[in-house]
Amino acid sequence: EVLLVESGGGLVQPGGSLRLSCAASGFTFSSYRMTWVRQAPGKGLEWVASIKQDGSVQYYVDSVKGRFTISRDNAKNSLYLQMNSLRDEDTAVYYCARDKCVGDCYLDYWGQGTLATVSS
Amino acid sequence: SYVLTQPPSVSVAPGQTARITCGGNNIGRKSVQWYQQKPGQAPVLVVYDDSDRPSGIPERFSGSNSGNTATLTISRVEAGDEADYYCQVWDSRTDHFIFGGGTKLTVL
Repeated sequence: EVLLVESGGGLVQPGGSLRLSCAASGFTFSSYRMTWVRQAPGKGLEWVASIKQDGSVQYYVDSVKGRFTISRDNAKNSLYLQMNSLRDEDTAVYYCARDKCVGDCYLDYWGQGTLATVSS
Repeated sequence: SYVLTQPPSVSVAPGQTARITCGGNNIGRKSVQWYQQKPGQAPVLVVYDDSDRPSGIPERFSGSNSGNTATLTISRVEAGDEADYYCQVWDSRTDHFIFGGGTKLTVL
């Protein structure tokens, strides 16, 4: 059974940092691209960042470029999102998800999410 | 950048058919996915590649895609289908995921 479990969310002041983690199990983690998607309170889904299987290439939505860093440790079956210079508008539930790419890509499994709240 | 447009809400009586649309320029040339999100839960993939269903998703859920509109159709709607539904496409030029704004399905 594919399982994705996020952790690391919490309350942080504007300008602060958080590191989110996603523990993966039930599949060969190193064979899949992985992605973070966020959802602000009462809002829709927003793609945040993705990373290739070997960690060599990362992709980011413009609003987080230079502030967020996606990374992975294939030996630990773990995905990370380092979030720096946090803003009020980064407040959201952050989901990690597994990419399924057959030509185009989609997200076939999602974690339950972790809430990051940016507030003074 | 590519934009996906969904109606904010759709209402349907139990047992009837719900149709949720996703508009985009020449979306018929892209592969469209649909996710269901119930309150307080993570999204779940219900349709991929326009019309395929993951294992465990009821046959009542189907998809189509042509021209400038993709459609998620839910037949014989049940109270448990009440949720937000999001369409998604892949931007192969930038390797980015693009989501529609979401549609809240209300079962009357």
